[in-house]
Amino acid sequence: DIQMTQSPSSVSASVGDTVTITCRASQGISNWLAWFQQKPGEAPNLLIYAAYTLQSGVPSRFSGSGSGTDFTLTISSLQPEDFATYYCQQANSFPPTFGQGTRLDIK
Amino acid sequence: QITLKESGPTLVKPKQTLTLTCTCSGFSLSTSGVGVGWIRQPPGKAPEWLALIFWDDDKRYSPSLKSRLTITKDTSKNQVVLTMTNMDPVDTATYYCAHSNYYPWGQGILVTVSS
Repeated sequence: DIQMTQSPSSVSASVGDTVTITCRASQGISNWLAWFQQKPGEAPNLLIYAAYTLQSGVPSRFSGSGSGTDFTLTISSLQPEDFATYYCQQANSFPPTFGQGTRLDIK
Repeated sequence: QITLKESGPTLVKPKQTLTLTCTCSGFSLSTSGVGVGWIRQPPGKAPEWLALIFWDDDKRYSPSLKSRLTITKDTSKNQVVLTMTNMDPVDTATYYCAHSNYYPWGQGILVTVSS
C-alpha cells in the first residue's frame, strides 16, 4: 500500500487566518490526490480531487496544489465552520490510503 | 441527488460474520463506470478502504483483509453487500459506503464487536 504522511497532526488558528496542511506520498502518485474534511459525528466530505480541483459547492477559500509525492491544502480566511479534521487520500492505486489526519482547532 | 445508506447490525460477537448492506439511490449500479466501495474508521483514527465493486462486477479488496472480505451487488435492488468474517474487537469502527468518485459517502454505521 502507498503510505500517506500528513503534517502537522494538529494546528491551532484564528478566524481569518490562512492555514496550510501538507501531505507526502511514499511513492509518486501523479495528481491522484484528494482532500477530505470531517466534522465530529459526520462522514468525511470531499473537498478537492485530482490534487487541485474543487468539488462542487466547496468554497473557493480552499485550494490544493502539488503533484508526484508532495501536496498541500491551503485554507485562506478561515471561517468558524472550517474547524475540523482534514485527511488527504491517494487515489493512484487500490486500496486508496489516507493520511493520519490534521486536526484544525480554534486558537 | 445521489445518496447511499448503510444498514446492518450494530453489535456483533467475536468470531461472528458481519454483513452490511449499502442501499444506493440517484444512480444505477449497472451504469458503465459506476462503483461503490466500503470504508471503515475506528474511533479516533483515519479511514481505511476495505473493498470496491464496479458496474461490470470487477472487485477490489484491501490486501491486508482480503481473506475475510466479500463484496457483492444486487443490481435489481441497487444494493451493495459487504461480508467480513471472523470479527474481532479491533474491527470495532464506523463502516461507510461511498461512490467510487469518493463523493458522496453514506452516514455510516457504528459496529461494535464485543461478547
